[in-house]
Amino acid sequence: KAGVTQTPRYLIKTRGQQVTLSCSPISGHRSVSWYQQTPGQGLQFLFEYFSETQRNKGNFPGRFSGRQFSNSRSEMNVSTLELGDSALYLCASSPGRVQETQYFGPGTRLLVL
Amino acid sequence: GDSVTQMEGPVTLSEEAFLTINCTYTATGYPSLFWYVQYPGEGLQLLLKATKADDKGSNKGFEATYRKETTSFHLEKGSVQVSDSAVYFCALSYNDMRFGAGTRLTVKP
Repeated sequence: KAGVTQTPRYLIKTRGQQVTLSCSPISGHRSVSWYQQTPGQGLQFLFEYFSETQRNKGNFPGRFSGRQFSNSRSEMNVSTLELGDSALYLCASSPGRVQETQYFGPGTRLLVL
Repeated sequence: GDSVTQMEGPVTLSEEAFLTINCTYTATGYPSLFWYVQYPGEGLQLLLKATKADDKGSNKGFEATYRKETTSFHLEKGSVQVSDSAVYFCALSYNDMRFGAGTRLTVKP
C-alpha cells in the first residue's frame, strides 16, 4: 500500500498570507490527524478528522482549520500567517479507532518570512 | 490531562552500547503506548507499540514493556548501531495521541 503523502513538501510564505496543505491517507484509512512540529514546542496536536467530521481539536487559534473529503483526503488551512507558524506540519492516518497506530507522512515544511 | 514525559537528552553512545530511554505517562484510562522514531528530514515511523499492561513491544532489536504499576514504557536496545541515530518519541493514545518531547540519540562509531 502507498503511504501517507503530503503536498507540497516545502513552502515559503510571507506574513499575512494564507496557506493550504494537503494530505492523502493510506487507502482505507478514515482518520486523519494533523500535527505541528517546532524545535521549541515539539509535536503538538492540531486536529483529527474522521469520516469528514472533526473528532478532536488541539489548543490552536481559529486561524488553523481543516477539512476532510469523502475520499478521506484532508486539507489544513492557516490564515493570516505569523512568523511563529514556521514549522513542520505532519499528517497521520489510521484505520479509524482512536487508539490505533497512526502512520505519518513526510511532512510539509512551512517557512513564514 | 493525559501526558507523556520522556528523557530529553541528547543521548550520545558508542556503537554496541546499551540504550535506555525513559518514558512515563499520566492517563485517566488505559491508553495504548507507542515509540516512534524520526530520522532527519522525515516524518515519524512507528517503532513499536503495546496496547495493554505487561505487553512487550519489540522491533529491530528495540523493546519496551507496558508497566501499569509504574506508568512507564521505557525503550531499550542491547547494542546500538550508528544507523539508530535519530529522534525517538514516546506517545500514548486514548482519546487522542500525546507525544513526549523527543530524545535525540547519536551513536558514534
